[in-house]
Amino acid sequence: SQKIEQNSEALNIQEGKTATLTCNYTNYSPAYLQWYRQDPGRGPVFLLLIRENEKEKRKERLKVTFDTTLKQSLFHITASQPADSATYLCALSQTGANNLFFGTGTRLTVIP
Amino acid sequence: GAVVSQHPSWVICKSGTSVKIECRSLDFQATTMFWYRQFPKQSLMLMATSNEGSKATYEQGVEKDKFLINHASLTLSTLTVTSAHPEDSSFYICSPRRGGDTEAFFGQGTRLTVV
Repeated sequence: SQKIEQNSEALNIQEGKTATLTCNYTNYSPAYLQWYRQDPGRGPVFLLLIRENEKEKRKERLKVTFDTTLKQSLFHITASQPADSATYLCALSQTGANNLFFGTGTRLTVIP
Repeated sequence: GAVVSQHPSWVICKSGTSVKIECRSLDFQATTMFWYRQFPKQSLMLMATSNEGSKATYEQGVEKDKFLINHASLTLSTLTVTSAHPEDSSFYICSPRRGGDTEAFFGQGTRLTVV
C-alpha cells in the first residue's frame, strides 16, 4: 500500500538548535516533493520544493534533501526560533499528476 | 504568491442541515480545485478534484451526493455538505490550482462542527 510517513509526530528542540524532520514514502514515484508549514486552524503554506533529480535545496534557514534510493526527504531548520513552532507536512506529487499526497505531519515546538 | 479566500472560517450547524463553503482565488484563475478534509492530528486527505465546468472526481470513500462540489468559474468553487452529521465535523480546506503550477496554495480552512 502507499504510505507517506513522517517519523516523529512531535519534536521539541531548544532555540538556536537545528531541527531535522524526516519524511519516508512507500510505493510512490514522486516527480517532486514539497514541504509545507501549517499553523493551528489554518491552511498549509508552501515552503520548499525539490525535484526527483535534485539532491538538496536551500532557502534562508531551511534545507531540504531528497534521496530517491532511500525514498526519504529530510527537512532542516537551522538556528531555530520559537516562531518556527508549527506542524510541518511533506507532500509529494507523482509524474503526470498534479494532486498532492500529504504525510502525517510533525508538530515542532521550539523551546526558548 | 497566490491569494486564496475561503469562508466561512468556522461554522456550527445542526444535524440534518446543509452547509456551503466557498473558495475563491482572488488574483489568479484556477483551472483545477482540490478539496481536502483534515481530522484532528491527522494529515490532509483529498476528497475530490474538480475542473472548471466539469463534474468533480471523488476519492474512494467520499460520497458525491453528500459533498456537492460546484466549480462554475475559474475563481470560485463551493463545497456543500448536505444533511450533515456529527461525523462530518472536520476541517475542510480548498486548494485552487493553475495549470502548470507545482506548489499548492490553500484557503484558510473551514472548521465545521455538526451538533
